[in-house]
Amino acid sequence: NAGVMQNPRHLVRRRGQEARLRCSPMKGHSHVYWYRQLPEEGLKFMVYLQKENIIDESGMPKERFSAEFPKEGPSILRIQQVVRGDSAAYFCASSPLGGQSYNEQFFGPGTRLTVL
Amino acid sequence: DQQVKQNSPSLSVQEGRISILNCDYTNSMFDYFLWYKKYPAEGPTFLISISSIKDKNEDGRFTVFLNKSAKHLSLHIVPSQPGDSAVYFCAASAKGSQGNLIFGKGTKLSVKP
Repeated sequence: NAGVMQNPRHLVRRRGQEARLRCSPMKGHSHVYWYRQLPEEGLKFMVYLQKENIIDESGMPKERFSAEFPKEGPSILRIQQVVRGDSAAYFCASSPLGGQSYNEQFFGPGTRLTVL
Repeated sequence: DQQVKQNSPSLSVQEGRISILNCDYTNSMFDYFLWYKKYPAEGPTFLISISSIKDKNEDGRFTVFLNKSAKHLSLHIVPSQPGDSAVYFCAASAKGSQGNLIFGKGTKLSVKP
């Protein structure tokens, strides 16, 4: 039973380019959470999605960031017109029981985004 | 405004001894707490959790204690092993939330042989 998969593991972009980060949840999990970790910081919640629905995007920056979790395929976190401050590790987590406080989330290995 | 605080950035312990990692929180709506372990260049790995209706949960060498009145929890690892060396994150989720986790900044544990 494969764990949460994220790709690419490392992504380098120049300022102004687009970054696309992909996440495949664990088998049987239909709840996906995205988090961002800046250097020397803890993980910060960005967005929570179920299949075809954004449930909570209260942690997402208002501009340039978007997320989706289509009926088929992985969840995608998209960052348009990247800036240096977007450089961070982006982690995806999946859960069998999202939408409530009592849920254990299982994390992928992360995508490390570097903006030159 | 940090709702989950891990005030010790690092902790060094001798192999075989007990490691105690501490975490404080400010939000009284938190009702579920989790500890994650993280190695460099990897994602966090779930270790143990506790709900607010309990004050202790044990799993092998790992025990989490919750003191609701003090808004404090701790993770005990005994006996500590060199493979336990990693960054440990405390996380919490709030009653009525969609389950998003609020993380502390982490404590780097070094277990020396």
